[in-house]
Amino acid sequence: GQQLNQSPQSMFIQEGEDVSMNCTSSSIFNTWLWYKQDPGEGPVLLIALYKAGELTSNGRLTAQFGITRKDSFLNISASIPSDVGIYFCAGQRTDSNYQLIWGAGTKLIIKP
Amino acid sequence: NAGVTQTPKFQVLKTGQSMTLQCAQDMNHNSMYWYRQDPGMGLRLIYYSASEGTTDKGEVPNGYNVSRLNKREFSLRLESAAPSQTSVYFCASKGTGVLYEQYFGPGTRLTVT
Repeated sequence: GQQLNQSPQSMFIQEGEDVSMNCTSSSIFNTWLWYKQDPGEGPVLLIALYKAGELTSNGRLTAQFGITRKDSFLNISASIPSDVGIYFCAGQRTDSNYQLIWGAGTKLIIKP
Repeated sequence: NAGVTQTPKFQVLKTGQSMTLQCAQDMNHNSMYWYRQDPGMGLRLIYYSASEGTTDKGEVPNGYNVSRLNKREFSLRLESAAPSQTSVYFCASKGTGVLYEQYFGPGTRLTVT
């Protein structure tokens, strides 16, 4: 089945650094969602985007719905240890009811 | 407020055994979903239920059955478990309207030997 192309696959960062990750698709999406998963837990919704060009923040997190409707970006500013985890993007295509398409995840690891 | 709950949290099965994974939500959501998560593959949809009384296949339905028992509960059954079904299973729910935000349970870690 179709998956979103999410990159990078993993990132090693220093505490305090800014982080960027993105998802791209060959299809047009009308919704983009960003989730975070901690070890042993289910994904938790961080940010939802519903309009092309939309820029939404949630604390130190900022996500954007790409203008082409085929991509989305997530930025984390001034990373802290609790940012460690796996970040997933998910999109809902214009021709799909109820179902989301998921990226494979970006694993964020903080260097000691 | 419990949100989405799943039982059991862990399970080990032998090949050929059957079991049912339980999911319940207390958010009065209409739609419910079952996903499996394998390393490096993100989440893959097994089955979903858009509303009480309806179920539909997702991306990877083979080897599974579901029951939408009522608005709150959505169960996933493995009739004859296979090692390829070793995975982490997540249940999710979504409210009505145009929003597509799904809320997840804590997962069931299943190993089939």
